[in-house]
Amino acid sequence: QQQVKQSPQSLIVQKGGISIINCAYENTAFDYFPWYQQFPGKGPALLIAIRPDVSEKKEGRFTISFNKSAKQFSLHIMDSQPGDSATYFCAAQTGANNLFFGTGTRLTVIP
Amino acid sequence: DTEVTQTPKHLVMGMTNKKSLKCEQHMGHRAMYWYKQKAKKPPELMFVYSYEKLSINESVPSRFSPECPNSSLLNLHLHALQPEDSALYLCASSHSGGPSTDTQYFGPGTRLTVL
Repeated sequence: QQQVKQSPQSLIVQKGGISIINCAYENTAFDYFPWYQQFPGKGPALLIAIRPDVSEKKEGRFTISFNKSAKQFSLHIMDSQPGDSATYFCAAQTGANNLFFGTGTRLTVIP
Repeated sequence: DTEVTQTPKHLVMGMTNKKSLKCEQHMGHRAMYWYKQKAKKPPELMFVYSYEKLSINESVPSRFSPECPNSSLLNLHLHALQPEDSALYLCASSHSGGPSTDTQYFGPGTRLTVL
């Protein structure tokens, strides 16, 4: 049973465009939502995270939008760059030991 | 500094070999994790150590044996592995393994190939 659903599976965006990745969950016990960025052959790196009492969080070109009532959250990458090409995992957490990953989105930014 | 280091970066072993993966962090974290990641899939939790005690074992086969010698080190001992065990093995750590906002930080992983 997939605790966190993520879409799309892959995404191709032109340089300078906006990349949008969506995630949804059912378990209302989740109370921390990190996003990880993973380059090939590397470990996942924390990109940005949000708590459900906040509807939006922005760090540079990366923004998380959170809709608690719909149990959905999304990552927006503004002005996408080729260096952003990676796999992105949304995740949801209840207690630090219980981290549930989405299935991942492979982003390709073409020049 | 949020660095978790793992050695070796790559490992090739036969099905009869015994090898170990090592993980180290110096962030003062008291929770450490082992994950297995297959290609194009998210990481799958294998083990959790909290304050140097094994707290979660996600029904992992006994050919994988974790060890936490101290609060900074985590080992994964491998024996009689199968080719399907080939994967990227990731170590992670977090502050205490308590509050839900306790972020997990991942190492670069060990790419394991079992022949």
